[in-house]
Amino acid sequence: EVQLVQSGAEVKKPGESLKISCKGSGYSFTSYWIGWVRQMPGKGLEWMGIIYPGDSDTRYSPSLEGQVTISADKSISTAYLQWSSLKASDTAMYYCARHLHSGYAYDTFHIWGQGTMVTVSS
Amino acid sequence: EIVMTQSPATLSVSPGERATLSCRASQSVSSQLAWYQQKPGQAPRLLIYGASTRATGIPARFSGSGSGTEFTLTISSLQSEDFAVYYCQQYNNWPPSSFGQGTKLEIK
Repeated sequence: EVQLVQSGAEVKKPGESLKISCKGSGYSFTSYWIGWVRQMPGKGLEWMGIIYPGDSDTRYSPSLEGQVTISADKSISTAYLQWSSLKASDTAMYYCARHLHSGYAYDTFHIWGQGTMVTVSS
Repeated sequence: EIVMTQSPATLSVSPGERATLSCRASQSVSSQLAWYQQKPGQAPRLLIYGASTRATGIPARFSGSGSGTEFTLTISSLQSEDFAVYYCQQYNNWPPSSFGQGTKLEIK
């Protein structure tokens, strides 16, 4: 079964760092782009960026570049989203999602993780 | 950045009736348009890609149409499990790929 399994919910204070994970299984991890999507409480979906684990080619939404870092460790089939200094406005559900077609950069999200809720509060 | 605008924001339809949801792009996205369904507490689910191709396992009552800047998702005969929020997404021009703000389909 093809699936993405994300790390558990996090509660952090402003200024703290955080790295959440997304482990792929059941397919060739290095062959599909994986992206991250943010959903703030009660709001819609926001595309954050994507990475191709095969060569670590990474693209970010211009509005978020510099605010987060997307990475992947292909040896353990895991993608990451990290922050160096969290803000209250980072409170959201974060989904990882895999592209539909192998190797396609301009593609849609087919397989989704279950989501990781990040709460940032003092 | 391409802006995706969905209408209406909320659509009230009775079970068994047809629902028509719209999505407009601020510039042409060719046929690189997807539709997702999201239920409370769940991750989105891909319904349609390439503007009109149903994803694996999606019932035939879901259909997509359009190209360029105007797109439509039609649900031919609403079932109880279809009441949810629906999002469109363009993936022709990125970064960033962009989602619409969503249409909430509710029971009338």
